[in-house]
Amino acid sequence: GQQLNQSPQSMFIQEGEDVSMNCTSSSIFNTWLWYKQDPGEGPVLLIALYKAGELTSNGRLTAQFGITRKDSFLNISASIPSDVGIYFCAGQTGRDAGGTSYGKLTFGQGTILTVHP
Amino acid sequence: DGGITQSPKYLFRKEGQNVTLSCEQNLNHDAMYWYRQDPGQGLRLIYYSQIVNDFQKGDIAEGYSVSREKKESFPLTVTSAQKNPTAFYLCASSRWSHPTEAFFGQGTRLTVV
Repeated sequence: GQQLNQSPQSMFIQEGEDVSMNCTSSSIFNTWLWYKQDPGEGPVLLIALYKAGELTSNGRLTAQFGITRKDSFLNISASIPSDVGIYFCAGQTGRDAGGTSYGKLTFGQGTILTVHP
Repeated sequence: DGGITQSPKYLFRKEGQNVTLSCEQNLNHDAMYWYRQDPGQGLRLIYYSQIVNDFQKGDIAEGYSVSREKKESFPLTVTSAQKNPTAFYLCASSRWSHPTEAFFGQGTRLTVV
């Protein structure tokens, strides 16, 4: 089945540093989503990307939809302690392969971010 | 407020017992999903449902069962056949369309004692 490779698996940074993580796939995706999960909670949607090449910001977060439609990255600028958590990417092909996968989302394995004060 | 609700937040089960986790949404979403998350790990898809009275196995369906009798509800039963059931379980919902966004519940932490 489809797989998303998310990297790095974990990051340990100092407060104030910028962070970059990415997702890649061997398949084309037509929607990319980025989520953040706080410990013991459900993931929360951060940014949604719908067009190849699209660059979208949400405060200190910036995400891009790769031009090949096989990758996406998320940047966090000037990290703060509350940025700690697990960040997930998710992709959707949006193509009707017999109607069985049209709306289905595939998730990456997550990047665990630790921010030292 | 529209949203997706999982209950209970914490659940303890004796080995050999079945247990059912609740997931309800009032977002009028067609699709609902169940994921399992182990400590420090990503999300693994257990089951998903595109529409009422229909559901498909995900990547790790063995030892689990679901039903989708109502659009708003997608309960997950962890059966005694699941060999390692202790985990954090997450329910999500989305439109079954393109593009779409999934929204998650707060999760249920299941511990087998």
